[in-house]
Amino acid sequence: DTGVSQDPRHKITKRGQNVTFRCDPISEHNRLYWYRQTLGQGPEFLTYFQNEAQLEKSRLLSDRFSAERPKGSFSTLEIQRTEQGDSAMYLCASSSRTSGGNSYEQYFGPGTRLTVT
Amino acid sequence: AQKVTQAQTEISVVEKEDVTLDCVYETRDTTYYLFWYKQPPSGELVFLIRRNSFDEQNEISGRYSWNFQKSTSSFNFTITASQVVDSAVYFCALSARGDMRFGAGTRLTVKP
Repeated sequence: DTGVSQDPRHKITKRGQNVTFRCDPISEHNRLYWYRQTLGQGPEFLTYFQNEAQLEKSRLLSDRFSAERPKGSFSTLEIQRTEQGDSAMYLCASSSRTSGGNSYEQYFGPGTRLTVT
Repeated sequence: AQKVTQAQTEISVVEKEDVTLDCVYETRDTTYYLFWYKQPPSGELVFLIRRNSFDEQNEISGRYSWNFQKSTSSFNFTITASQVVDSAVYFCALSARGDMRFGAGTRLTVKP
């Protein structure tokens, strides 16, 4: 098990372009989360999946953002018509959740750093 | 609403000093989980500890210890005999449902 992986690690794009990031969680984890982190701040929750179902979305996730986890394994986060304010580190995390409902710790990937010029 | 406050933005100590990082949280949920994560200069968040709201026992792991007090809604983290390798940003976080709310972090610098 190599942990959570994210691709690409860095992305530079021009304003107005679309970008897509990929996250591969730890294989036995059924929950997958997306966060955004800007310089000097803690990670901000964007959305999470349990298996293939998207259970919660933050109000930070505007209509230009969409996330999918079609087979309950890897996930993609797409940003359409990027803006300079989208420049940030996008973090993915995964965790397991027992049927009893306990919330387990999230393990984070290395992140994708997005720069919008 | 859930909120995590880390009032200390930056702390600087000399190696071998003890240091305590403060965390205060707010939640209306009766069942919740508290976490500490470390983010070294390399950038990847590293999980350190998880506590649930029903377990107020303090925990010690090597040079690290955690003090959870529901009465003051605090979950403080102490590093004993700090080392240069402890230099990082430390985040406290709260989870009651699926999402996790992070504090703004405390940047710890340990000087040799």
